[in-house]
Amino acid sequence: EVVLTQSPATLSLSPGERATLSCRASQSISSSLGWYQQKPGQAPRLLIYDASNRATGIPARFSGSGSGTDFTLTISSLEPEDFAIYYCQQRSNLPRTFGQGTKVEIK
Amino acid sequence: EVQLVESGGGLVQPGGSLRLSCAASGFTFSSYYMTWVRQTPGKGLEWVASIKQDGSEKYYVDSVKGRFTISRDNAKNSLYLQMNSLRAEDTAVYYCAKGSGSFDIWGQGTLVTVSS
Repeated sequence: EVVLTQSPATLSLSPGERATLSCRASQSISSSLGWYQQKPGQAPRLLIYDASNRATGIPARFSGSGSGTDFTLTISSLEPEDFAIYYCQQRSNLPRTFGQGTKVEIK
Repeated sequence: EVQLVESGGGLVQPGGSLRLSCAASGFTFSSYYMTWVRQTPGKGLEWVASIKQDGSEKYYVDSVKGRFTISRDNAKNSLYLQMNSLRAEDTAVYYCAKGSGSFDIWGQGTLVTVSS
């Protein structure tokens, strides 16, 4: 099973600041990684698929990069609605697995 | 509007059974793999099972193999999860999601609580 480790667990930032979230896989997964955003009481929402492709309707301030075992989600300038929990997920192997999440909170 | 709506959750005793349903609309349901994902405060998000477009291939996480069965009815645009021999650790919010690799559409979730 591919284990995904996200860091940091919590990121405290102010609106307008840049957020950089990390996801590390326990083995190479090529570019088979997605990022999701989840707000309280809501289902996750797909932001990025295949490491760097924005999903439909996702603003350009969200970008993804990486391949192999190290991946990054960057939010270039935080908007108030971006404060949420972010999860990475790999689709390289079964079982599909998720990271434990990074909470982006208002500083 | 593309939409997935789950139903069927509730309180069930350990060892009991429950059947979850997911109604799809706004897209060609029969053209896509479909998946169940669950979420608990302790274990986070966990992929549970996926099913191929025609139902010919099904995949499960080890912890539910032999107890859960994923199925679909393309004529009814519906996805199902039959859950038997339920355990306390199956307590979670269960989401249906479109896709098998990346999940681009999710339902709102249905809560399953396994407790005596």
